[in-house]
Amino acid sequence: GAVVSQHPSWVICKSGTSVKIECRSLDFQATTMFWYRQFPKQSLMLMATSNEGSKATYEQGVEKDKFLINHASLTLSTLTVTSAHPEDSSFYICSARDSTAGGPPDTQYFGPGTRLTVL
Amino acid sequence: SQELEQSPQSLIVQEGKNLTINCTSSKTLYGLYWYKQKYGEGLIFLMMLQKGGEEKSHEKITAKLDEKKQQSSLHITASQPSHAGIYLCGAVLLNDMRFGAGTRLTVKP
Repeated sequence: GAVVSQHPSWVICKSGTSVKIECRSLDFQATTMFWYRQFPKQSLMLMATSNEGSKATYEQGVEKDKFLINHASLTLSTLTVTSAHPEDSSFYICSARDSTAGGPPDTQYFGPGTRLTVL
Repeated sequence: SQELEQSPQSLIVQEGKNLTINCTSSKTLYGLYWYKQKYGEGLIFLMMLQKGGEEKSHEKITAKLDEKKQQSSLHITASQPSHAGIYLCGAVLLNDMRFGAGTRLTVKP
């Protein structure tokens, strides 16, 4: 089946530093990828939609200058948390939509997640 | 407000008991997904329902989508400690997948 990887799986950083998280579709092309954030005891909340070759679309309340998204190829999207603060500590999960024909429509494949801890 | 209403928020059952989790939308669902998760870990895909009235089973877990395609239920028969975790329903409502608030299931041995 389709596989999405994320790197790193966990990261600890100091407050004020920037952290980059990669999301890769390993065996399919994804013109659209999604970034979700999950706080403890809460559900996944969509942060932004990443479109290959164009600007990301951010959900209301998500600062685009703080959460930089780049989708430079059909298999890679990156999320950079700039000037991270302890309140940014969370679990970040990406998903990718298979752009090829066939299969259930709108199927998204999820990465394993990245746990970010900002000290 | 949550686009997908999930209930109950938490559930504690004795091992061996049956349980049901519900997911309701005000909009027609064209694909309803059920996932299991532990916080800090990835999503485990359970099943996807598309057709009204559809029902799917995997081991002791059965999921149904009602005829109007606005409500789905997840039923676990003879629950085991291994069933414990967070159950999330998800649906593509616009152009992206949205999730219910989740149901935290605890199974007491």
